[in-house]
Amino acid sequence: GQQLNQSPQSMFIQEGEDVSMNCTSSSIFNTWLWYKQDPGEGPVLLIALYKAGELTSNGRLTAQFGITRKDSFLNISASIPSDVGIYFCAGQRGQNFVFGPGTRLSVLP
Amino acid sequence: DAGVTQSPTHLIKTRGQQVTLRCSPKSGHDTVSWYQQALGQGPQFIFQYYEEEERQRGNFPDRFSGHQFPNYSSELNVNALLLGDSALYLCASSWADTQYFGPGTRLTVL
Repeated sequence: GQQLNQSPQSMFIQEGEDVSMNCTSSSIFNTWLWYKQDPGEGPVLLIALYKAGELTSNGRLTAQFGITRKDSFLNISASIPSDVGIYFCAGQRGQNFVFGPGTRLSVLP
Repeated sequence: DAGVTQSPTHLIKTRGQQVTLRCSPKSGHDTVSWYQQALGQGPQFIFQYYEEEERQRGNFPDRFSGHQFPNYSSELNVNALLLGDSALYLCASSWADTQYFGPGTRLTVL
């Protein structure tokens, strides 16, 4: 079946640092979505990418849809404590949404 | 504009029982998907409903069934509960290529 890989699996950073995480797949997707999930809550959509090569920003977050349509990255600039959580990428093709295993981000004050 | 809502928030059942979870999609969204998220893992796709029909199904047994109503709200039913069914069950509604999640229902099977 389709699988997504996310790296790193987890990361510890200092407040104020920039963060970069990525998502790769062996399959092509038409849309890439990035979500953040806090403990005990549902994932919240951060950024949606619809075209290969597309670079989209949402405040301190920037994401790109890879040219090959098999990968995407998410950058967070100047991290703050509330950035703590699990970040999931999801690829969409047709009616199918596939999620990665997540990147757990911890921000140290 | 209310987002995706789910009920109940938490549920405790015993093995062998049956459970029904409910979801109301975001306004204007006609497609509802259900996911199971085990602790420490990403959401796993169960099935998707569109126009009151199951349009796609993930790798889940027939014990998992669903329904979509004319107002696009949806139910997830799980029969003969197993301990391994304990998880956060997420509902997501979508329109075009973007999907929004509800807060989830935490199901604990004892």
